[in-house]
This record gives sequence, C-alpha cells and structure tokens, in this order.
Amino acid sequence: DAGVIQSPRHEVTEMGQEVTLRCKPISGHNSLFWYRQTMMRGLELLIYFNNNVPIDDSGMPEDRFSAKMPNASFSTLKIQPSEPRDSAVYFCASSPDRGRTGELFFGEGSRLTVL
Amino acid sequence: AQKITQTQPGMFVQEKEAVTLDCTYDTSDQSYGLFWYKQPSSGEMIFLIYQGSYDEQNATEGRYSLNFQKARKSANLVISASQLGDSAMYFCAMTGYNFNKFYFGSGTKLNVKP
Repeated sequence: DAGVIQSPRHEVTEMGQEVTLRCKPISGHNSLFWYRQTMMRGLELLIYFNNNVPIDDSGMPEDRFSAKMPNASFSTLKIQPSEPRDSAVYFCASSPDRGRTGELFFGEGSRLTVL
Repeated sequence: AQKITQTQPGMFVQEKEAVTLDCTYDTSDQSYGLFWYKQPSSGEMIFLIYQGSYDEQNATEGRYSLNFQKARKSANLVISASQLGDSAMYFCAMTGYNFNKFYFGSGTKLNVKP
C-alpha cells in the first residue's frame, strides 16, 4: 500500500517567493495533518482536516500560511511570501477516523530552505 | 488542552542493555491515546507503540513496551536489548478523546553505544 506522499522532498527558494507543498494522504483516511518541525520548536501542528474540512488551524503561524484540501486525496500548504524563518521540515500525516489505534501515518517530509 | 513533556533531551545506552525514555502528560479528557514515534537521522517518523487510556495492560510491541502509570500521568517507553539501529529521536505523543488532534513532546535523542 502506498503511504502518505509528499512533494517536493526538498525545496530551496528565495525570500518573498511563493512555496506550495503537496500531500496525498493514504486512501480511506479521514484526517489529514500538517506539521512543521524545527530544532527550536520541535513538532508543531499547523492545521488538521477531517473529511476535507479544516477543523483547527490555530497552529498556522500567520496569514502568510494557508492550507487547502479540495478533495480526500490531496492537500496543499502554501506560504506566500516565504521568509527565512519558515525554513523547516514540513510533514503531512493522515489517520483513519477512530482507527484501531488512531495512529498517525507520516509522509517523508518536505524540507524547505528559504534564503 | 493536552500537554506532553519529555524531560530527557538526550540519553546514552550501551548496546544490548535496556533503556527507559520518560514521558509525562496532562489532560482533562477521560479518554485519550498515547503514542511513541521514532525518527531516525533519515527524518521519517515511524510509529512504535500505542496505549489507550482505558487499556489495563501495558502495551508491548516486540522490544518496545510502554510503562503506563495513569495516576502519575506517565507513559514511559522501555526499549529492551538496545541495538545500534535504535539510535534516533523518540517522540511521545497523545490525542484527546476524539483521537483527531495529536500533541507531541519535544523528543529524546537516544544514542546506543557499541
């Protein structure tokens, strides 16, 4: 079975540019999460969707960040304009609703570097 | 809201010995889930073990066991017979009653020495 698929794996961009990170969750999973990982702040939950609806976006740092989930098989996280402090690894994860363990399945992450 | 605390930024263990990674949590939910994830240097997040708040038995998965002490609100991970491949960051996480929002601790970096 295919896991959570993220793209791009690596992105290097210049400050002020728009960045779009993409995620394909595991088929059949109802919940999708975007996390950001940095050395300073660890793993931060940015936003999560349930059945394609954003449930909690309180972790989104500021208006420069936006996330969408137009259908059950695709989500995007957009940063516009990007800043150097946005440099981090961004993880997408999905979970089956009230699955046996409620386990999170992570993608391999998108490493973003903003120069 | 839930809170997860991992107080050990880094630990060393000798190969083949057992090691305990600490995790305490705080929640007002009666039903919740506790998880451990491993993140090797390659960066991926690997699920290790799960404990439900109503589970009476401590969870075990191979060499991993979760020492669940509900009254103390602790969910320590025990790795038996450490292997060099166990060297990684380990994250404790929890969800509330709806199992939808995962909260992660700051992680513990484990180094296994040969």
